[in-house]
Amino acid sequence: GQNIDQPTEMTATEGAIVQINCTYQTSGFNGLFWYQQHAGEAPTFLSYNVLDGLEEKGRFSSFLSRSKGYSYLLLKELQMKDSASYLCAVKGSNYQLIWGAGTKLIIKP
Amino acid sequence: GAVVSQHPSWVICKSGTSVKIECRSLDFQATTMFWYRQFPKQSLMLMATSNEGSKATYEQGVEKDKFLINHASLTLSTLTVTSAHPEDSSFYICSAWGGRGGQPQHFGDGTRLSIL
Repeated sequence: GQNIDQPTEMTATEGAIVQINCTYQTSGFNGLFWYQQHAGEAPTFLSYNVLDGLEEKGRFSSFLSRSKGYSYLLLKELQMKDSASYLCAVKGSNYQLIWGAGTKLIIKP
Repeated sequence: GAVVSQHPSWVICKSGTSVKIECRSLDFQATTMFWYRQFPKQSLMLMATSNEGSKATYEQGVEKDKFLINHASLTLSTLTVTSAHPEDSSFYICSAWGGRGGQPQHFGDGTRLSIL
């Protein structure tokens, strides 16, 4: 079967760094996406990885290891507005996205 | 960045009413549009995938006669919830994809549907 695992909830402190992990088992791999979703709103695109390595975009970075079926999203200099759910999604062999359940990130002052 | 417009944002209506939700890609042509449903504190659930000019592909358990999808052009898809009942109350979100592998799906702002 196809499966994407990420922690249900994480807590971090304003100004700190947090890493949200995602492991996947899918039939085929055509890229991994990270999205941010604030409560009551639609997801917004954060990053895309298709090759192994680190993609950096401002305070956010995303890493991929295809051999390990593993990715992480790294958030630096956390701000209160970063409190949201972070969704990991893998594009499988039929080009549809397979979604993880999301990680709720709580930022404390 | 790519913009997807979804209307209406909120719908409150009586049981038995049919509700149409529109999803438009404003600045790119969407080869494929996706319709999702999300219950509170749960993940996105894909309902159906639609390609311009062809019939939508529905996920298992989603009634195609209940949730009518029309993808008339490369910039517009509609979802009609027919004879809606309280159990259809949910957050419905569309997304649009331009067809190139590395392109992300871009989401509309979602429609919150409440059936009384």
